[in-house]
Amino acid sequence: DSGVTQTPKHLITATGQRVTLRCSPRSGDLSVYWYQQSLDQGLQFLIQYYNGEERAKGNILERFSAQQFPDLHSELNLSSLELGDSALYFCASSAQEIAGDNEQFFGPGTRLTVL
Amino acid sequence: AQKVTQAQTEISVVEKEDVTLDCVYETRDTTYYLFWYKQPPSGELVFLIRRNSFDEQNEISGRYSWNFQKSTSSFNFTITASQVVDSAVYFCALSEWGMNTGFQKLVFGTGTRLLVSP
Repeated sequence: DSGVTQTPKHLITATGQRVTLRCSPRSGDLSVYWYQQSLDQGLQFLIQYYNGEERAKGNILERFSAQQFPDLHSELNLSSLELGDSALYFCASSAQEIAGDNEQFFGPGTRLTVL
Repeated sequence: AQKVTQAQTEISVVEKEDVTLDCVYETRDTTYYLFWYKQPPSGELVFLIRRNSFDEQNEISGRYSWNFQKSTSSFNFTITASQVVDSAVYFCALSEWGMNTGFQKLVFGTGTRLLVSP
């Protein structure tokens, strides 16, 4: 158990809908990262927050947004969903601000299926 | 160009065999970090090791060992006396600074699926 929690575990929705994925980092970790894992794109970094502020942005679509709250939990919002958004979404957390400075601990993931 | 290459898509071995998973990376950074993660069938990603670019010493942790060679830009992972529980997808990752963006991110390889049969 990494100490990172993600809800829900599974999510099935229809095209055009909007969903919110939630992540709670390990106790004491200030950085939260979101990743998307799909068969065609592999494991891709989406976005990072550090202590409530957006720190780094990767291959995140404009239809996607995220935020980190004062209690450090984070939410990833996916809107106008398309079939291609079906994937496993991981949240990871770490203590440091810079991605390479320490290991990232991953949550169990949320499997999103868009029908 | 692919930043992290794991050329072995899938490897099958029989229990107790040694197996090496290859990782070749490409970076212009002088300071960088390399990682290995394990993704068992249950799906979560498990951290295995982090190595900085200035430390080329090989590392051993139980049945796991890592060989880092800057000269060949490789960071290979060996499992000695493999066990069925080692069956998983293994990812190599590289920390990379974004061009003119001032941020760093992890770039993952495509993974190697290891199947260990009894």
